[in-house]
Amino acid sequence: DAGVIQSPRHEVTEMGQEVTLRCKPISGHDYLFWYRQTMMRGLELLIYFNNNVPIDDSGMPEDRFSAKMPNASFSTLKIQPSEPRDSAVYFCASSRGRVTAKGGPETQYFGPGTRLLVL
Amino acid sequence: RKEVEQDPGPFNVPEGATVAFNCTYSNSASQSFFWYRQDCRKEPKLLMSVYSSGNEDGRFTAQLNRASQYISLLIRDSKLSDSATYLCVVNLSGTYKYIFGTGTRLKVLA
Repeated sequence: DAGVIQSPRHEVTEMGQEVTLRCKPISGHDYLFWYRQTMMRGLELLIYFNNNVPIDDSGMPEDRFSAKMPNASFSTLKIQPSEPRDSAVYFCASSRGRVTAKGGPETQYFGPGTRLLVL
Repeated sequence: RKEVEQDPGPFNVPEGATVAFNCTYSNSASQSFFWYRQDCRKEPKLLMSVYSSGNEDGRFTAQLNRASQYISLLIRDSKLSDSATYLCVVNLSGTYKYIFGTGTRLKVLA
């Protein structure tokens, strides 16, 4: 099975430009997560969806960030306008909304990430 | 206080050594716990889940102490290939929200 697919893998842009990151979750997974990873702050959850509906966007830094999931197989994270402090690795992850025998949720699977550099 | 705290390391250990990492969490409503492994410039990958009764997978043993709100990871007979960053992950009860620690870096030396 294909894993989580993200594109582009690398993005270099100039401050003020719009950036769109894309994600295709694993087929059959009904939860999708967007994370940002930096050296200083580690891995931060930005937003997650269940069945294409945003459930928790409390981690979205500010109005410059927006995320959509128009269908079960595609999601985007958009930054407009981009700033140098947005430079980071952005990961998408997906999981199934099942509860395991131990009572917790099933684990999530990460895509390879998009390395964003804003100059 | 961070929700999930880890010693960033690095832990430099010789091959064959036993090494242990701890992770503390602040939210007592945390329900599920995991250790992920992240290699340099790669995505995080699940290493193992952590259960109340503790669990073992080959050279790796994970323990949970709910009273003290910490989890641990023990690696026996360290291999060069174990060199990576180990991320502690906590899931809040009733949600699918996962909180990641900033990771502990392990270097296994020949």
